[in-house]
Amino acid sequence: EPEVTQTPSHQVTQMGQEVILRCVPISNHLYFYWYRQILGQKVEFLVSFYNNEISEKSEIFDDQFSVERPDGSNFTLKIRSTKLEDSAMYFCASSGGSKAFFGQGTRLTVV
Amino acid sequence: EDQVTQSPEALRLQEGESSSLNCSYTVSGLRGLFWYRQDPGKGPEFLFTLYSAGEEKEKERLKATLTKKESFLHITAPKPEDSATYLCAVRVQVNTGGFKTIFGAGTRLFVKA
Repeated sequence: EPEVTQTPSHQVTQMGQEVILRCVPISNHLYFYWYRQILGQKVEFLVSFYNNEISEKSEIFDDQFSVERPDGSNFTLKIRSTKLEDSAMYFCASSGGSKAFFGQGTRLTVV
Repeated sequence: EDQVTQSPEALRLQEGESSSLNCSYTVSGLRGLFWYRQDPGKGPEFLFTLYSAGEEKEKERLKATLTKKESFLHITAPKPEDSATYLCAVRVQVNTGGFKTIFGAGTRLFVKA
């Protein structure tokens, strides 16, 4: 069964550094999403992406964050100048319609 | 303010003991309600989408139903492998014409053999 792939599975970074989280969505999907889940808290929507542009973003998705689809297969989330509170699981998802498939997540730890 | 509330927070069942999980929502412009299963350290796994009151979906031991204010996830004769966190999420239309997705906090289900 096709799946969404995220790399790395775990990233440790120094506060203030930039990180790029990578995702390979399911190949025929057109809608792409990033979510985050701080340990013990709810899953939170960050951004959705369609037709090479952001279609929706939450209040969390400020100028510190950006997304990109640099080629036909990858979808990335860049976090500039990371803060301690950015530590969380980051999930990528893709969908071809009403059903969204999630990746296994990247655990980001900011120290 | 749009809200999604799931209850109970945790549920412990014996194998074979049927029960229901609740997801209540107060949102305007509902454009879909989703149920996911999440295992520890993993991403949510899609279960169901419901769009309108009265709609029902079934998959194996799970059945999801929707009313105008809440959704239920019924688990019939659960097995230990059904142990997971079950997440409810709603998709709502916002003023700009776009959409946002709001997740509930989840119900942690433990099924004992």
